[in-house]
Amino acid sequence: AQSVTQLDSQVPVFEEAPVELRCNYSSSVSVYLFWYVQYPNQGLQLLLKYLSGSTLVKGINGFEAEFNKSQTSFHLRKPSVHISDTAEYFCAVSDLGTASKLTFGTGTRLQVTL
Amino acid sequence: DADVTQTPRNRITKTGKRIMLECSQTKGHDRMYWYRQDPGLGLRLIYYSFDVKDINKGEISDGYSVSRQAQAKFSLSLESAIPNQTALYFCATSDPQGETETQYFGPGTRLLVL
Repeated sequence: AQSVTQLDSQVPVFEEAPVELRCNYSSSVSVYLFWYVQYPNQGLQLLLKYLSGSTLVKGINGFEAEFNKSQTSFHLRKPSVHISDTAEYFCAVSDLGTASKLTFGTGTRLQVTL
Repeated sequence: DADVTQTPRNRITKTGKRIMLECSQTKGHDRMYWYRQDPGLGLRLIYYSFDVKDINKGEISDGYSVSRQAQAKFSLSLESAIPNQTALYFCATSDPQGETETQYFGPGTRLLVL
């Protein structure tokens, strides 16, 4: 079985500053990795995903994430955040043996202020 | 129009009542899921269905049942609601033939059990 750890429950940041949201996973098999974003009062929306190939994945809204197999991490980054990035961010994993079943982390609330 | 819709969007019920949450999708996806979201716990899988004749328990299925009436419809029932089932419930869909492993979420149903 796999698991996901998001160590930071909240990340406050000023507008135009860079941000990194951390995600570590545990799995005994190869995995797919995802970041989803949840804006207030909305469902989850896919930001980006890693399936295979290049370890640097670019997503929507200027976000990117890097898959690091040796550190079992998939941290999300953005070089300059905007107020509109305020949301909850979820890291998720599925393993190739149980494709389509996602295990989510507990979420990180990104709060962007002026 | 939204691709994944959930009804109702908000529901207040009393302990012991039976309630049904409904999910409909126009994406033509075979796979559908029900999750619940609790603060600090992320999303947890309740049930999932890979086609109309396939129903599977997820991580936290006790106290819930589901019905897959058609490819486009997947309902979640609480046979006898209890207060710790107060949560935000999400339906999601995915297409194994299409964009690999991406799940598309509805807007959620906020349930309060008194």
